[in-house]
Amino acid sequence: AQSVTQLDSHVSVSEGTPVLLRCNYSSSYSPSLFWYVQHPNKGLQLLLKYTSAATLVKGINGFEAEFKKSETSFHLTKPSAHMSDAAEYFCVAQGPGGSQGNLIFGKGTKLSVKP
Amino acid sequence: AAGVIQSPRHLIKEKRETATLKCYPIPRHDTVYWYQQGPGQDPQFLISFYEKMQSDKGSIPDRFSAQQFSDYHSELNMSSLELGDSALYFCASRRRGGQGEGTDTQYFGPGTRLTVL
Repeated sequence: AQSVTQLDSHVSVSEGTPVLLRCNYSSSYSPSLFWYVQHPNKGLQLLLKYTSAATLVKGINGFEAEFKKSETSFHLTKPSAHMSDAAEYFCVAQGPGGSQGNLIFGKGTKLSVKP
Repeated sequence: AAGVIQSPRHLIKEKRETATLKCYPIPRHDTVYWYQQGPGQDPQFLISFYEKMQSDKGSIPDRFSAQQFSDYHSELNMSSLELGDSALYFCASRRRGGQGEGTDTQYFGPGTRLTVL
């Protein structure tokens, strides 16, 4: 069965310092992987996606993620955190059925950014 | 660019009442997904439709039903509401037909917050 594990439920960084949000996946095939961000009382916004092209994926707002098959990881990074980055981040995999499947969400990582 | 529209944005109901949530996908998107996000939880897949036919089913209670109409909008009907149904309900749309950039990506609406009292 396919699953997504976000290793940290809460990450706190200072403004201007790097951000690392960790995600591991389990799948019998190479899935499509996504990072979505959810600001308080807002909907889900797509940050970036990996679909078996380049392993280093660049997204919006300076975020990027690297797909590492050997480690089954898809960690999200940003060189310098901004106060507006404070939000909940979800690592997501495409569900069974390949490109037609539903999304499988990780439990989410809440990112706090201190001034 | 047009986004997914959900209505209403907020809904308050009493126990045992019914509720209908509506979703209008991005133009030319042929697939609609419904997700339920409980307080402090990750979104859980409920059901999806492709070209007006149900394509996949997740953890949707029997009290809930949904359909996709000829204009591709979708409605989630919820009956005999329970306190535990209080959640944020997301709709996402995707253009499955055809090829190219974006056909594998689900775009989410802002959600409908349902509160059952």
